[in-house]
Amino acid sequence: LAKTTQPISMDSYEGQEVNITCSHNNIATNDYITWYQQFPSQGPRFIIQGYKTKVTNEVASLFIPADRKSSTLSLPRVSLSDTAVYYCLVGDRTGGFKTIFGAGTRLFVKA
Amino acid sequence: GAGVSQSPRYKVTKRGQDVALRCDPISGHVSLYWYRQALGQGPEFLTYFNYEAQQDKSGLPNDRFSAERPEGSISTLTIQRTEQRDSAMYRCASSPGLAGDEQYFGPGTRLTVT
Repeated sequence: LAKTTQPISMDSYEGQEVNITCSHNNIATNDYITWYQQFPSQGPRFIIQGYKTKVTNEVASLFIPADRKSSTLSLPRVSLSDTAVYYCLVGDRTGGFKTIFGAGTRLFVKA
Repeated sequence: GAGVSQSPRYKVTKRGQDVALRCDPISGHVSLYWYRQALGQGPEFLTYFNYEAQQDKSGLPNDRFSAERPEGSISTLTIQRTEQRDSAMYRCASSPGLAGDEQYFGPGTRLTVT
């Protein structure tokens, strides 16, 4: 399983774009990259998943360079309600997916 | 539609007692996962099922922990002879397809062992 490394915490202000980068140097060919968001007292919630290049949905964008050794979750124009922990996961979808959450990145959005 | 449900939401038990935690996944979801989460930490993988088959139980801490999903729907995580170190939030998640799809998490069961 590819290990991931993320910043422990980040601060931002409302209205700013936030980019959280995750390193996964030993990512395997079959591995996908998935991001989850977790608010206090709630379970994690899926944000986005990708394999390469760029993926965008109504919540976020995920940028994956050609070597796939890192990925960046981009949150446009954050609000106070985006204050949460964000987890980057890497795993193989084809035959099993032992899901490993690291410590995540604690994002604090200030007014 | 209904999401993942877990029961009980809170469980206080005395050391040495057995506990059974229940997870009711979203109807039709193939995969089911169990996690344990300590305060301030990310979820720790325990085990997962595809249908009724337990695919990976390498995350179960020891042989006091077991899980089953006999009919491919509801799952039970059982902890025998509980210890104080077992106190944590236990979370269940399900996903529509085989492992790797988006997971939908339940509200969790807060277990306190006194």
